[in-house]
Amino acid sequence: EAGVTQFPSHSVIEKGQTVTLRCDPISGHDNLYWYRRVMGKEIKFLLHFVKESKQDESGMPNNRFLAERTGGTYSTLKVQPAELEDSGVYFCASSLGLGRGTDTQYFGPGTRLTVL
Amino acid sequence: DQQVKQNSPSLSVQEGRISILNCDYTNSMFDYFLWYKKYPAEGPTFLISISSIKDKNEDGRFTVFLNKSAKHLSLHIVPSQPGDSAVYFCAADSNSGYALNFGKGTSLLVTP
Repeated sequence: EAGVTQFPSHSVIEKGQTVTLRCDPISGHDNLYWYRRVMGKEIKFLLHFVKESKQDESGMPNNRFLAERTGGTYSTLKVQPAELEDSGVYFCASSLGLGRGTDTQYFGPGTRLTVL
Repeated sequence: DQQVKQNSPSLSVQEGRISILNCDYTNSMFDYFLWYKKYPAEGPTFLISISSIKDKNEDGRFTVFLNKSAKHLSLHIVPSQPGDSAVYFCAADSNSGYALNFGKGTSLLVTP
C-alpha cells in the first residue's frame, strides 16, 4: 500500500512569489491534515479536511495560505505571496477515521520550502 | 504557547542500554498521547500511543509510561539499537480526534 506522498520535496522561491504544495493521502483515507515545522520549533497543526470539507483551519497562519481538497482526494496548499517566515517543512498526514484505533495519522516525507 | 514540551534536545546512549525520552504537557484536556519517530528526509512515523486511562503501554522494545498527576510521559527503549537513532516526537490530543500537538523532538543517538 502506497503511503502519503508529497510534491515537490523541495522548493526554493523568492519573497512575493507563489508556491503550491501537493499531498496525496493514503487511498481510502477521508481525513487529511497539514502541519508545518519551522526550523527549531515544534511541528504545528495547520488544518484538517474530512473528505473535501475543511473541518478545522484554526492553525492556518493567515490569509496568504489557501488549502483545497477538491473531490476529496489529493490536497493542495498554496502560499501567495510567500514571505520569509513561511520557510519550513510542510507535512501532510492522513488517517482512516477519527476514533481511537483508526485515527493514527500517517505522515508524508514533507516539502521543504525555502523563501529567499 | 507550547503545550507539549520535550526539554532534552538530544540524548546519546550506548547500544544495548536503555533509552529514556521524556515529555511534559500543560493542557489537562489532553487524553491521548503518541510517540513518533523521524529519520532525516522522512516524515514522522507512528511508534506507540497511550490513552489517559492507562499508565503504561508496551510494544516490543518500546514502553510508554504516563503520569497524569505530573503531566509527564516517557518512552523507554530497551535494549537500544543503532537503528533507533532518530528524532523522537511526543504528541498529544484532546479527544478532538485530529489536531496533534507536538513537542520539539529529542534527537536520539545510539552508539555501538
